[in-house]
Amino acid sequence: GAVVSQHPSRVICKSGTSVKIECRSLDFQATTMFWYRQFPKKSLMLMATSNEGSKATYEQGVEKDKFLINHASLTLSTLTVTSAHPEDSSFYICSASRQGDRDTQYFGPGTRLTVL
Amino acid sequence: QKEVEQDPGPLSVPEGAIVSLNCTYSNSAFQYFMWYRQYSRKGPELLMYTYSSGNKEDGRFTAQVDKSSKYISLFIRDSQPSDSATYLCAMRGATTNDYKLSFGAGTTVTVRA
Repeated sequence: GAVVSQHPSRVICKSGTSVKIECRSLDFQATTMFWYRQFPKKSLMLMATSNEGSKATYEQGVEKDKFLINHASLTLSTLTVTSAHPEDSSFYICSASRQGDRDTQYFGPGTRLTVL
Repeated sequence: QKEVEQDPGPLSVPEGAIVSLNCTYSNSAFQYFMWYRQYSRKGPELLMYTYSSGNKEDGRFTAQVDKSSKYISLFIRDSQPSDSATYLCAMRGATTNDYKLSFGAGTTVTVRA
């Protein structure tokens, strides 16, 4: 168990459009989900932490209005990149923690976003 | 100074060799230490999870934590080409709210057949 999926795996969009990325825990309930961004050959940078039913907590320097996070259920969180620009191109990865066990994060396969 | 330092490599070894990876950190509050494996264009996969100092072994993998030196290691014995990946160390504190992970930059490993 502990499988996390992301959709889409890859997306290419035009500058100025918005892109929604879904993160689902397939076989467990995730109280907490995390959104990361990863640049080539760089570490994962935490963008925000979302708890089911409440507003996400954003890391310093991450624009809340730019990266909208919704965690509407115990198995689904979405990240919407609004008015995307080429500098938003990156690999976005989500992770989820089981209900009652925030010690362990299970990662999704990632979404490659390319903004033209 | 970064909170977690990890040599990005790349590291290339012949099949069957021992792969040695390590990270150093500066935050003495870190109590939980993890190693993740990430294949190209995939999400990280948890390999090893240790608490505080000591060693932990799981098959061909051994994780070591030396909190006095703020130094952690991962050893892969009898390495296989399928072990070729990027290995990320990660760590966090012990309090209820310290669930956020701090990651190293990752070390890219290639095991040559």
